[in-house]
Amino acid sequence: NAGVMQNPRHLVRRRGQEARLRCSPMKGHSHVYWYRQLPEEGLKFMVYLQKENIIDESGMPKERFSAEFPKEGPSILRIQQVVRGDSAAYFCASSPGTGGLANYGYTFGSGTRLTVV
Amino acid sequence: AQSVTQLDSQVPVFEEAPVELRCNYSSSVSVYLFWYVQYPNQGLQLLLKYLSGSTLVKGINGFEAEFNKSQTSFHLRKPSVHISDTAEYFCAVSDRSSNYQLIWGAGTKLIIKP
Repeated sequence: NAGVMQNPRHLVRRRGQEARLRCSPMKGHSHVYWYRQLPEEGLKFMVYLQKENIIDESGMPKERFSAEFPKEGPSILRIQQVVRGDSAAYFCASSPGTGGLANYGYTFGSGTRLTVV
Repeated sequence: AQSVTQLDSQVPVFEEAPVELRCNYSSSVSVYLFWYVQYPNQGLQLLLKYLSGSTLVKGINGFEAEFNKSQTSFHLRKPSVHISDTAEYFCAVSDRSSNYQLIWGAGTKLIIKP
């Protein structure tokens, strides 16, 4: 069982470029969550997706950020026209069902460290 | 809104000494409480969780935590640390009204001195 796979581990982008972060959930998991960790801060919830559906995007910045979890393939977090303030670690987690944290908790990936130069 | 405070950004401790990592959360009617650990260059791993019942929770790798409702705390302890415990530790809280959102502390780096 490969666990939650995130790639790339490190990503460097120039201001104005696009960043695409990928997350493959654990086998059998159909729920994906993205969190962002800014330097010296705790993780902040961004978005919760199920296959082909965005369930809760209340933590996503209103502009430039989008997320998808297609029927086939990994979940993608996309950041358009990156700025220096987007530099952070982005973590993906997955869970198997609707029981939530009480039943399943999260399984996290190793994260993608985005640096905007 | 719920918030989580980890009072120490770094805790240095000698090998085989006991350690306590502190976590306080803002008041809420009822919460779920978690400790996660992040080893260097790895993802976050669940150490232990409190959902209900006994206030003393035992986790992996010899760690335990105690839920104290009156002090709104959930401190993590280990009686004797090992060099392999070097990692960053995160406390997280979920309000029971949400079954998937976690509110996180900023983390505490545990530094083991030989």
